[in-house]
Amino acid sequence: TQLLEQSPQFLSIQEGENLTVYCNSSSVFSSLQWYRQEPGEGPVLLVTVVTGGEVKKLKRLTFQFGDARKDSSLHITAAQPGDTGLYLCSGGGADGLTFGKGTHLIIQP
Amino acid sequence: GAVVSQHPSRVICKSGTSVKIECRSLDFQATTMFWYRQFPKQSLMLMATSNEGSKATYEQGVEKDKFLINHASLTLSTLTVTSAHPEDSSFYICSARDAYEQYFGPGTRLTVT
Repeated sequence: TQLLEQSPQFLSIQEGENLTVYCNSSSVFSSLQWYRQEPGEGPVLLVTVVTGGEVKKLKRLTFQFGDARKDSSLHITAAQPGDTGLYLCSGGGADGLTFGKGTHLIIQP
Repeated sequence: GAVVSQHPSRVICKSGTSVKIECRSLDFQATTMFWYRQFPKQSLMLMATSNEGSKATYEQGVEKDKFLINHASLTLSTLTVTSAHPEDSSFYICSARDAYEQYFGPGTRLTVT
C-alpha cells in the first residue's frame, strides 16, 4: 500500500504571509496531484505533477515534485482568506487515488 | 474541465433503510468511476472502483453486500447503502476518470438516524 504523509496537518496564518505544505512518501509515484476541498464539496484539482524535479506555478501557488518522485510541496505566496480550505495530495494512476490526510489551512484576515 | 454530478446532495434516512446515490459524468464517458467516503476532518478513503459492465472492485474492509455498486452505463454509476446504520453516516464522493484525470463530484452527505 502506498502511503502519503502530509504536513502540517493544521495551519493557521495571517493574510499576506507565505506558507509551504508538504506531501511525502516512501514510494515512487508516476504522478502526484494536489486538490483543494471546501467544506461540503468535492475536491477540485489544482495541479498534476509527473516529472521528477518539475515545478508548476498557478498564480500565487507553486508546486514542486521531488527529483525521486516520492514527495511534493505546495508553496503559497501572500496567502489570502480565499485560500482557506483542505489541501490534499494524492498519488496514483488508472486505479483509485491514494490520498494523504490533508492540510487544513486557515488564512485569517 | 469535465463535470461530474451527484444526486442527491444530502439525504437523511432511518436506520435499516436503503439509500441510493447516483454519480454521473455529464460531458464525457467514463469507463471507470470511483467511490470514496470521507468522515469529518478526515481525508478521502477509496471504497471501490466501478467498471462499466462488470463487477465493482472493493477495497479491503469495505462490505460489498452493504455497499452495492452498479455501473450501468458509461455515464452513470450508483452506490446503494443497504440496511443503513448511524455509523454509515458520512460524506460520499464519487469520481470519474477520463484519459488523463480524475474529476470529483460535489459529494453526498448521508445522515442515518
